[in-house]
Parts: sequence; C-alpha cells; structure tokens
Amino acid sequence: QSVLTQPPSASGTPGQRVTISCSGSSSNIGSNTVNWYQQLPGTAPKLLIYSNNQRPSGVPDRFSGSKSGTSASLAISGLQSEDEADYYCAAWDDSLNGHVVFGGGTKLTVL
Amino acid sequence: EVQLVESGGGLVQPGGSLRLSCAASGFTFSSYAMSWVRQAPGKGLEWVSGISGSGGSTYYADSVKGRFTISRDNSKNTLYLQMISLRAEDTAVYYCAKARYGDYIPTIDYWGQGTLVTVSS
Repeated sequence: QSVLTQPPSASGTPGQRVTISCSGSSSNIGSNTVNWYQQLPGTAPKLLIYSNNQRPSGVPDRFSGSKSGTSASLAISGLQSEDEADYYCAAWDDSLNGHVVFGGGTKLTVL
Repeated sequence: EVQLVESGGGLVQPGGSLRLSCAASGFTFSSYAMSWVRQAPGKGLEWVSGISGSGGSTYYADSVKGRFTISRDNSKNTLYLQMISLRAEDTAVYYCAKARYGDYIPTIDYWGQGTLVTVSS
C-alpha cells in the first residue's frame, strides 16, 4: 500500500489528453512539492515534472503538472504511442524524521 | 556526462548481508544528496534511503530502518548501501539516484541502471 495513491491504469488514443491523479496527505503533498517520473519498459525512471509543474529541459511541453491541496495531477496532451509507460508521483514526507514517498504507479496504455 | 554505476548485487540467503556500491562521475559528487530506490519484480518504485552531500544527514524508509545503512565516500565519488538481515521482500532492482538540487533528496534527475538483489534460499 503506497502512501501516495494513483490509479493503477489509464488509457487514451493518439492525440487525446489524459490525466493521472496522485492523492496524498498534509505531511507530504500538502506541505511539499511533487515530482513525476516516467519509466519506459525495461529502463530506469526519468524525471518528467519537478516542483509541481516544472519541466526539465528536453521534456516536451505536452507534459504538464499541477497541485492543489493534498493532490496533484499529471496531464499529457497530444498523446503519442511513445508515451506508453509507467508514471509515478513522489514527494517528501515530513513524518518519521522525513522520507520520500512514491505513488504506486500508473500504467498508461496508448490504444 | 553524469554516470551512476551500481555494483554488488547478487543472490543472498535470508538473514544474510550485502553491500551495494555506486560509482559516480560527471558531476561534483560531494555537492549533491544521493538516494537508493528499489523496485521489486513487476512492482512500483520504493525509496529506500537518502544521504546529504556531506554525509552528515541520512534518511531511511521504515521498511529498512535498523537493517540498512547508507554512506558515501566523497574522496572516491562512491555511494554505498550496507544491507543486513535481508528478507525475501528485499528482493528488487536497486537504483542509485542523484538529487537535482544540492541536498534536496526528493527530486532525482539521474538514475543508475540498477543492480539486482535476490534474497532466497
């Protein structure tokens, strides 16, 4: 059971917009920024969004993030086949001397 | 170019010990916090432990507290994870990971390729 809650799966057709939610609590998302990672099959994760809504260089602007209260969302517009991957949210949690918590991951399928 | 190369994984019996290493290059190692993140077969990511750039502050997931110890040797640009009292549920690919900003552990911008730890009799 992950501290951050994500839907296990999401899907869309090419060109569509999809969103993935991430729900936490006051000790993590409610008081710290959220990061999103993309993991393509058989590879290490890659930073997709940091500080709630910032994109590292090289990440297409089709990817966007937002945060409100104790929840966050990742939006992917203009869905492409290469976006099929697992997506994870993560944040610092202030409880228990501090630690990082991840969501359980959302497998995105491009139909 | 940032490179993180893990080593030390393998097969170990329940109750056994193992030490993972991560050789870092391409950045000023002592200026950045580092973490270990693991992924059990077919499962999601789980953060295991983090350490500040100086090594003066360490953090652990509840699941490994008291059994795992993170450390670093800034003179050798190397990160370590000493694991004792290993359990079957510790079986996973262990990734070495670099913080994007100084000592801010949660934002990871580089990951190693991972090393597999299998705990089984």
